[in-house]
Amino acid sequence: QVQLQESGPGLVKPSETLSLTCSVSGGSITAYYWSWIRQPPGKGLEWVGYISHSGGTSYIPSLKSRVTMSIDTSKNQFSLKLSSVTAADTAVYFCARHHPSYGVFDYWGQGILVTVSS
Amino acid sequence: DIVMTQTPLSLSVTPGQPASISCKSSQSLLHSDGKTYLYWYLQRPGQPPQLLIYEVSNRFSGVPDRFSGSGSGTDFTLKISRAEAEDVGVYYCLQSIQLPLTFGGGTKVEIK
Repeated sequence: QVQLQESGPGLVKPSETLSLTCSVSGGSITAYYWSWIRQPPGKGLEWVGYISHSGGTSYIPSLKSRVTMSIDTSKNQFSLKLSSVTAADTAVYFCARHHPSYGVFDYWGQGILVTVSS
Repeated sequence: DIVMTQTPLSLSVTPGQPASISCKSSQSLLHSDGKTYLYWYLQRPGQPPQLLIYEVSNRFSGVPDRFSGSGSGTDFTLKISRAEAEDVGVYYCLQSIQLPLTFGGGTKVEIK
């Protein structure tokens, strides 16, 4: 059974960089695409971007200038960096795997709440 | 970006009764490969979303057959034939025909 686990600081100061890692267990990170999705408290879901096993990426245009995703196949992990954060970036951040056939998210992490505050 | 609009915003359902959620997209989700890239998720309280329906009408592994999806082009519907207590949560539609991937705003379902 594939499991995903987000990790990183739960509190980030405004203007600093949010850094999260998703650790994948129970399966290989290779041959799949991996996404980050976020959810502000009490609000809906927003796809942030994806990274492929080979490192190809696509980001939502509204965040593209501030987002970087990377993948470490040796550690079975992938990461999200979001720079110059503001309170609007406060959200639960989920990592998720793309189903190999259907293309959308089949396995998700439990999510990590990141609060942007001084 | 493709805008996904869900109605209603919330729904209260009696156990055993049907429920229906609508999702409309600002552009057709029918691809030239013949597939329609519309999906449904359920997010139970305190949980990550889980995939219910893929490509409009196909139930994902383990999803009860009381859930069904239908529609075409830009208009889609998720139906619960007989609501159960475990169906409470927020339902989201999602399109993947075009980047960025976009979700509907969600429909909150409560069971009376």
